[in-house]
Amino acid sequence: AQTVTQSQPEMSVQEAETVTLSCTYDTSESDYYLFWYKQPPSRQMILVIRQEAYKQQNATENRFSVNFQKAAKSFSLKISDSQLGDAAMYFCAYRSRTNAGKSTFGDGTTLTVKP
Amino acid sequence: NAGVTQTPKFQVLKTGQSMTLQCAQDMNHEYMSWYRQDPGMGLRLIHYSVGAGITDQGEVPNGYNVSRSTTEDFPLRLLSAAPSQTSVYFCASSRSGTGGVSNQPQHFGDGTRLSIL
Repeated sequence: AQTVTQSQPEMSVQEAETVTLSCTYDTSESDYYLFWYKQPPSRQMILVIRQEAYKQQNATENRFSVNFQKAAKSFSLKISDSQLGDAAMYFCAYRSRTNAGKSTFGDGTTLTVKP
Repeated sequence: NAGVTQTPKFQVLKTGQSMTLQCAQDMNHEYMSWYRQDPGMGLRLIHYSVGAGITDQGEVPNGYNVSRSTTEDFPLRLLSAAPSQTSVYFCASSRSGTGGVSNQPQHFGDGTRLSIL
């Protein structure tokens, strides 16, 4: 079974600064997908970014980028130019190649953004 | 296009009662899933479905039943509620990408906060 570990229960960042959230995972599969989701206090789950394991290039979405290290099974999220609206809980998730209904989530990192 | 709709948003039950959490999606997604989120933790998979008539167990299935008679609906039944089932429940749907791969993100409902006394 796959496992996902987020080792930072809480992180804080100054507005306009950069922060990196860590995620490691364990799997015996060679092809899979990784996701970062944001959960603000409203409880909604919002997709931030995704990475396909067979792609060596790191995914980017505006101020959000990942550092995907397949051999190390590491998938960190970098948020640049942090904004107050980035404050939320962030979850890393793993999904096998062929089952879109079955994701494994980490326990989350709560991000605080200080003005 | 409403996305994923969960009802109710809040519910309080007594131990031993049964109830059904409703989930409906209007995106014609083949995959649907139920997760629970306990305080300070991530989402844990209860049951999922890969299409109408097909369901399978996730990580924490005990005490829950599901069925999928239509593409749109995926209800979650609590058979005999226990305090340990107090949680926030999320329903999600997704479709497969080109070639049947699972690279499409899950769309989540707003959650149901369930308290069992």
